[in-house]
Amino acid sequence: KAGVTQTPRYLIKTRGQQVTLSCSPISGHRSVSWYQQTPGQGLQFLFEYFSETQRNKGNFPGRFSGRQFSNSRSEMNVSTLELGDSALYLCASNPTGLVDEQFFGPGTRLTVL
Amino acid sequence: QQQVKQSPQSLIVQKGGISIINCAYENTAFDYFPWYQQFPGKGPALLIAIRPDVSEKKEGRFTISFNKSAKQFSLHIMDSQPGDSATYFCAARKGGGADGLTFGKGTHLIIQP
Repeated sequence: KAGVTQTPRYLIKTRGQQVTLSCSPISGHRSVSWYQQTPGQGLQFLFEYFSETQRNKGNFPGRFSGRQFSNSRSEMNVSTLELGDSALYLCASNPTGLVDEQFFGPGTRLTVL
Repeated sequence: QQQVKQSPQSLIVQKGGISIINCAYENTAFDYFPWYQQFPGKGPALLIAIRPDVSEKKEGRFTISFNKSAKQFSLHIMDSQPGDSATYFCAARKGGGADGLTFGKGTHLIIQP
């Protein structure tokens, strides 16, 4: 089975722009979670989607949003980028969201200049 | 509020030695405690996990010790090898729901040959 894939792997944007990141979960997995990883704050939970519905959200501003499609693929969007949004954005999937093991993708490295 | 505190931040161990990483949590609603291993350029990968109904779990050279009353858990890597050099994260989650993982800040482990 192919693992979680994320595109693009690297991205450079400037302040004020917006960005969309994509995640394809493992085949058959219906839950997708997003995390932000920075050297200062570590790994922080952004949100979780299951069957196209956001079930939970972490403590991030409304500039961070996401969605999930009927094929379980997910996108996250960050609007009005700030320098502090530079981070590795990780996507994780599991079959139902109720199973504890999360399978992480390699991440998208976002740099905001 | 940091709900999972991890120590040490970095650790150097000689090949063949025992690596020990500690975590403490605050939220008594947590009932799933995984450890993740992350290599540079990769997403975190689940190493081993424990639930609070057991005090120890062993998988190969990796052991989790869990102390529910002290709200602490630790990872022991026996016979540490240079290939174990990576960043290790402890995490916690409220089971049965869609909550994301709450991660510790990570431990950068170096195994010297």
